[in-house]
Amino acid sequence: GQNIDQPTEMTATEGAIVQINCTYQTSGFNGLFWYQQHAGEAPTFLSYNVLDGLEEKGRFSSFLSRSKGYSYLLLKELQMKDSASYLCAVRDSNYQLIWGAGTKLIIKP
Amino acid sequence: IAGITQAPTSQILAAGRRMTLRCTQDMRHNAMYWYRQDLGLGLRLIHYSNTAGTTGKGEVPDGYSVSRANTDDFPLTLASAVPSQTSVYFCASSPGTGDTDTQYFGPGTRLTVL
Repeated sequence: GQNIDQPTEMTATEGAIVQINCTYQTSGFNGLFWYQQHAGEAPTFLSYNVLDGLEEKGRFSSFLSRSKGYSYLLLKELQMKDSASYLCAVRDSNYQLIWGAGTKLIIKP
Repeated sequence: IAGITQAPTSQILAAGRRMTLRCTQDMRHNAMYWYRQDLGLGLRLIHYSNTAGTTGKGEVPDGYSVSRANTDDFPLTLASAVPSQTSVYFCASSPGTGDTDTQYFGPGTRLTVL
């Protein structure tokens, strides 16, 4: 079966750094996506990785290791507005997105 | 430019009733998708359409049907609603179905079936 695992919830302090991990087992791999979803809102695209390594985009970075079936999203200089759920999704061999259940990130002052 | 719109925003429905959730995009995207999101579970694909005139079944298609008569609209119909279909429904679209094609989501419809 196909499986995406993420921690259910994480807590971090404003101004700090947090790393959200995602491990996956899917039938094929055609890229990994990270989305942000604020409570009661739609998911919005954050990052895309298809090759191994780190992709940096402002305060957010995403890392991929295809051989380990592993990715992480790194959020730096945390702000209160970063309180949200972060969804990991893998595009499988059928080019469909398989989604993790999401990690709820709580930022404390 | 609105992007993707969904209607209604929320709905309470009696079991056994028929319901159509509407989705319209103005980005001229070829591919469109319907997902449901339930607490503790990832987004699950119900149906998709890679281009106007074609549709396909996702992970959880039972009890749902779709049509794609044109590029912009992708309605989702529940023929006879059941309580297990209580969920938040998201419509999404992407330019195509290639590796880098990102999906963009509508605001969602919160459906409660009693």
